Amino acid sequence: QSALTQPASVSGSPGQSITISCTGTSSDVGTYNLVSWYQQHPGKAPKLMIYDVSNRPSGVSNRFSGSKSGNTASLTISGLQAEDEAHYYCSSYTGSSTLLVFGGGTKLTVL
Amino acid sequence: QLQLQESGPGLVKPSETLSLTCTVSGGSITNTNYYWGWIRQPPGKGLEWIGSIYYSANTYYTPSLKSQITISVDTSKNHFSLKLSSVTAADTAIYYCARQRFTIFGPDLTDSWGQGTLVTVFS
Repeated sequence: QSALTQPASVSGSPGQSITISCTGTSSDVGTYNLVSWYQQHPGKAPKLMIYDVSNRPSGVSNRFSGSKSGNTASLTISGLQAEDEAHYYCSSYTGSSTLLVFGGGTKLTVL
Repeated sequence: QLQLQESGPGLVKPSETLSLTCTVSGGSITNTNYYWGWIRQPPGKGLEWIGSIYYSANTYYTPSLKSQITISVDTSKNHFSLKLSSVTAADTAIYYCARQRFTIFGPDLTDSWGQGTLVTVFS
């Protein structure tokens, strides 16, 4: 069982917006603004899409945005495109010896 | 442009030691802004942070594997290595080496990944 909880799957049509949630605890997501999101296409390494809850690395489309409320972080993808179909993982720093935890991953299907 | 490349055996027998090396090119492993880490992904499953090392050899390990893990760094060769002892079938995974941001708390986000290498534990 992963330390952070994500829905197993979400789907949306091209042009729509979707949101993926990532629920942790007061020991990780709720306390630290050190939540990041990764996109992983089949057979590829993950790619950093969002860091520090809501910041985008250079080169990442502004269709990707992040937010946090309490113990839950969220990734929103607007204007869905076929290329967005992938697995998405959240991650957070924790205040424990585990240090870094990931969510179980969410498969995004673009219909 | 930074590149990370994993190398090592793709097959390991149960109870033996898994050994991987990550060679860093296009950047220095002594960059004070980064940790260097290992993350694994069992086939069809999610990501698990294994451990990270700073160029000074300061290390962080995930508690569940701490007794089995050794991560080391060789600044002269610009590479770092992972050893995981007493492996079982549960250690079969794609192993990624990665660059992680330095914070005062330790490593956090991963901004650069190797391509990953599949290690199968199989007798």
